[in-house]
Amino acid sequence: LAKTTQPISMDSYEGQEVNITCSHNNIATNDYITWYQQFPSQGPRFIIQGYKTKVTNEVASLFIPADRKSSTLSLPRVSLSDTAVYYCLVGASNNAGNMLTFGGGTRLMVKP
Amino acid sequence: EAGVVQSPRYKIIEKKQPVAFWCNPISGHNTLYWYLQNLGQGPELLIRYENEEAVDDSQLPKDRFSAERLKGVDSTLKIQPAELGDSAVYLCASSRSQGTGNTIYFGEGSWLTVV
Repeated sequence: LAKTTQPISMDSYEGQEVNITCSHNNIATNDYITWYQQFPSQGPRFIIQGYKTKVTNEVASLFIPADRKSSTLSLPRVSLSDTAVYYCLVGASNNAGNMLTFGGGTRLMVKP
Repeated sequence: EAGVVQSPRYKIIEKKQPVAFWCNPISGHNTLYWYLQNLGQGPELLIRYENEEAVDDSQLPKDRFSAERLKGVDSTLKIQPAELGDSAVYLCASSRSQGTGNTIYFGEGSWLTVV
């Protein structure tokens, strides 16, 4: 399973765009990149998933360069409620690899 | 659509006592996971089921932990006897088995405190 490296913590202010980059140098051909958000006292919540290039949904954008060795989660105009831990994971798409390995995540603190 | 349901939400027990956690996955999800999350750390996989078969239990401490998913739907995770170091959040999750890039959906977790 590919190992991921992401910053331990980040600070931002309300209304700013936040970009969290994750490194996954040994990502495999079948691996997808998935980001989860976790608030205190709750389970992780799916944010976005991609395989290559750019993916955008109503919550965030995910940028993946051609070599797929890193990815960047972009949160537009963050608010205080975006304060959470964000996990970057890579995992295979087939049945045997449907398990995802979590790292330590990035603790995002949004300040007023 | 209902999410992954777990119970109890919180549990405090004395060491050496047994404890059990229950999970009801999202309807139609054949894959069920149990994760352990210690304070300040990411979740760690304990066991993964495909229907009623445990396909990966390599991280489950089998001397005191057990799990079952008898009918391929609900699952129970048991600890007997509990130790102080078992205090953590136990997360259940589920996903579809087929298809690419399957998303895993988590429950809110069962918070265990062993005193």
